[in-house]
Amino acid sequence: QQQVKQSPQSLIVQKGGISIINCAYENTAFDYFPWYQQFPGKGPALLIAIRPDVSEKKEGRFTISFNKSAKQFSLHIMDSQPGDSATYFCAANGGATNKLIFGTGTLLAVQP
Amino acid sequence: NAGVTQTPKFQVLKTGQSMTLQCAQDMNHEYMSWYRQDPGMGLRLIHYSVGAGITDQGEVPNGYNVSRSTTEDFPLRLLSAAPSQTSVYFCAISRGRGTEAFFGQGTRLTVV
Repeated sequence: QQQVKQSPQSLIVQKGGISIINCAYENTAFDYFPWYQQFPGKGPALLIAIRPDVSEKKEGRFTISFNKSAKQFSLHIMDSQPGDSATYFCAANGGATNKLIFGTGTLLAVQP
Repeated sequence: NAGVTQTPKFQVLKTGQSMTLQCAQDMNHEYMSWYRQDPGMGLRLIHYSVGAGITDQGEVPNGYNVSRSTTEDFPLRLLSAAPSQTSVYFCAISRGRGTEAFFGQGTRLTVV
């Protein structure tokens, strides 16, 4: 079963717009929720991460919003730039498992 | 400081052949993992290790073997390659559960 569900599969945003990617999880024991960014031909790299003791974390133009009761978290990219065009993955980890489980990814294209 | 080094970068195998994907790290991180990345499927965990001598299965372990005799190395073995194993494989390391994962550059494997 898919423990972390991510949407949308792809997203096109105009330069300067807001990109929003959503994830939902099932395991209430998860306690670490990172977002990874991947450019073509490269490995994923950590973008930003949140733990469930806070509802929001912001780093520059990137913000994670976390809703523990709904078991959902989202990535917001403000003032999206063409250089943000990449694939974004949400992930989750915690509880009795050491596994870091990823969503299916979102291909973001920011048009100039 | 190379971080995570994967070899080879590209490989073509015939069905039924065996091979080993290499992963080496110089960051002295305890956790090492293997993922495969397929279009629309995201990153799926194959096997992982929380330290030398300790390995466990991920989401899609069938057809793959691993061992971890040292902190630095975590090879992934395909005993009898199948076309379904055509994928991009990533090795990742981290200090522990709930910490940043660092990925290698990937190995693109094609099984014909």
